[in-house]
Amino acid sequence: GEEVAQTPKHLVRGEGQKAKLYCAPIKGHSYVFWYQQVLKNEFKFLISFQNENVFDETGMPKERFSAKCLPNSPCSLEIQATKLEDSAVYFCASSQSVTGLGYTFGSGTRLTVV
Amino acid sequence: SQQGEEDPQALSIQEGENATMNCSYKTSINNLQWYRQNSGRGLVHLILIRSNEREKHSGRLRVTLDTSKKSSSLLITASRAADTASYFCATDGEGNNRLAFGKGNQVVVIP
Repeated sequence: GEEVAQTPKHLVRGEGQKAKLYCAPIKGHSYVFWYQQVLKNEFKFLISFQNENVFDETGMPKERFSAKCLPNSPCSLEIQATKLEDSAVYFCASSQSVTGLGYTFGSGTRLTVV
Repeated sequence: SQQGEEDPQALSIQEGENATMNCSYKTSINNLQWYRQNSGRGLVHLILIRSNEREKHSGRLRVTLDTSKKSSSLLITASRAADTASYFCATDGEGNNRLAFGKGNQVVVIP
């Protein structure tokens, strides 16, 4: 399809619970990026993939956060043992190149940790 | 770390007026991009300007880039209520591995 599909749109988790977010990139786009946006402010880069391989994970918190992009499956971002500060909107984007073309963003998943 | 950094602004203008917002960055870039975010939505790519370009137009959008000053501006002419959104610039200077987004400018166009 021509849109990046993110599910679910909203996710509420109790502190300490696991959260799993999904992203289906545009077919033919080799790169997938995850960003975290807190309180409508700047977008914090988390991790990127080139096809199913991790391309850049320098933004990922070392603990609790993990991500995958497996063939023929949506990409996923998982947060183990969520904390209140994980509350944010998580955006996925895909692109045919790393930075040379525009990214196409999904509508995001709003995670609320209570 | 390098990021596109907008001059933090909340701009409120009347429909039909022009809106201008600025962005500065710290290191060398290959290109700079502008995005729009409507409330509750993801970023929408507006325009890309390469480092060897000084000005670019797309519809009612005009982007300038001054690499000597490491700054860019986005001009929206004849604004419409539908232009109400936050606008972000993004640069590729982080080792070219991804786009780095700045804080964003909120623009409100009053009908």
